[in-house]
Amino acid sequence: KAGVTQTPRYLIKTRGQQVTLSCSPISGHRSVSWYQQTPGQGLQFLFEYFSETQRNKGNFPGRFSGRQFSNSRSEMNVSTLELGDSALYLCASSLAALSGRNNEQFFGPGTRLTVL
Amino acid sequence: AQSVSQHNHHVILSEAASLELGCNYSYGGTVNLFWYVQYPGQHLQLLLKYFSGDPLVKGIKGFEAEFIKSKFSFNLRKPSVQWSDTAEYFCAVNGGTTGANNLFFGTGTRLTVIP
Repeated sequence: KAGVTQTPRYLIKTRGQQVTLSCSPISGHRSVSWYQQTPGQGLQFLFEYFSETQRNKGNFPGRFSGRQFSNSRSEMNVSTLELGDSALYLCASSLAALSGRNNEQFFGPGTRLTVL
Repeated sequence: AQSVSQHNHHVILSEAASLELGCNYSYGGTVNLFWYVQYPGQHLQLLLKYFSGDPLVKGIKGFEAEFIKSKFSFNLRKPSVQWSDTAEYFCAVNGGTTGANNLFFGTGTRLTVIP
């Protein structure tokens, strides 16, 4: 079974630009969550999608948005990039949207975004 | 709001030494608890998880963790570490009663094992 895949793996952008990151979950998984990992703030939850609907949202500005398609693939978009958006963006997939005994989250390799 | 504290930022051990990494969480309701590991250049991988039942859970690669509800703790242990355990370890929690799937992570503990 293929794992969670994320594209691109590396990205360099300049301030003010926008970026779109893509995540393909494990086959059969319907929940996709996004996390930001930085040396200063650690791993922080961005948002979660299930059945094309955003179910949970972390404490990030509106410049961060996402969506999920009918095949469960998800994209996240960051507009008007700032230097502080430089981070590793991780995607995780799980079977369902509710926490529970069998609802482990599987992480992808991440997209390393550098904002210059 | 939920929060997770990992008190050890960097731990350096010699091979065969015993390991204990601390994790405390702040949340009043039922929680699900996890330890993830991130080896250099690799994905986050699940080491072990606790949902309910026996508070001593065993994971992969000889790791175990004990949930102590009265102390809001979920410490990770391994009796004898190996050089290959060098990695960053993250404790995480999500709220069982809320049903929310999002994980709250600690800041991580970097473990360096010296051969």
